[in-house]
Amino acid sequence: RKEVEQDPGPFNVPEGATVAFNCTYSNSASQSFFWYRQDCRKEPKLLMSVYSSGNEDGRFTAQLNRASQYISLLIRDSKLSDSATYLCVVNHGGGADGLTFGKGTHLIIQP
Amino acid sequence: GAVVSQHPSWVICKSGTSVKIECRSLDFQATTMFWYRQFPKQSLMLMATSNEGSKATYEQGVEKDKFLINHASLTLSTLTVTSAHPEDSSFYICSARDLLAGVKKTQYFGPGTRLLVL
Repeated sequence: RKEVEQDPGPFNVPEGATVAFNCTYSNSASQSFFWYRQDCRKEPKLLMSVYSSGNEDGRFTAQLNRASQYISLLIRDSKLSDSATYLCVVNHGGGADGLTFGKGTHLIIQP
Repeated sequence: GAVVSQHPSWVICKSGTSVKIECRSLDFQATTMFWYRQFPKQSLMLMATSNEGSKATYEQGVEKDKFLINHASLTLSTLTVTSAHPEDSSFYICSARDLLAGVKKTQYFGPGTRLLVL
């Protein structure tokens, strides 16, 4: 079983729609959770951290369910500029662990 | 946000040569930097953790003698791909964690280096 699993997509949605991404992780000891965005041939950029209480940043809402080892990202009122690959990322904890990335979900917003 | 630079941004070399990639944190100090590799349509895979002033920690399956890492200061880590071969062609990305980040553990990524070995 992969450590971080995501639906690879692509998700094709019309501009203005709401889109949801799901992610599951296998390591129950994981401590930190993030959503990153990666544009084609570019480095990943942090979109938002994910907290157990859920958190919102403008049109983006992230949720974490530790019991189910499940993370979600909701994008409301999608824009053309939201087209990218969204990476679910987990840190297993410890002093200096690197990040474990999912393969990403490719999102295409259509005009 | 914090800025991390990488140099060079792309490199083409002949098989058997060595390639050095630099990763710098420009506006913060990083005791720990990370090196990742991404093959086409694949996820980023952690190669090694670079610790300032000490030896790097390599992930399973990554040859430490082939991928030499030096972290000589709080703002610079280098990755040298020794005797590069075509299968080493990939997108190499570094990241750095702010010394003062605390429990957030946010990592900032460099723009990546595309390596093509002919």
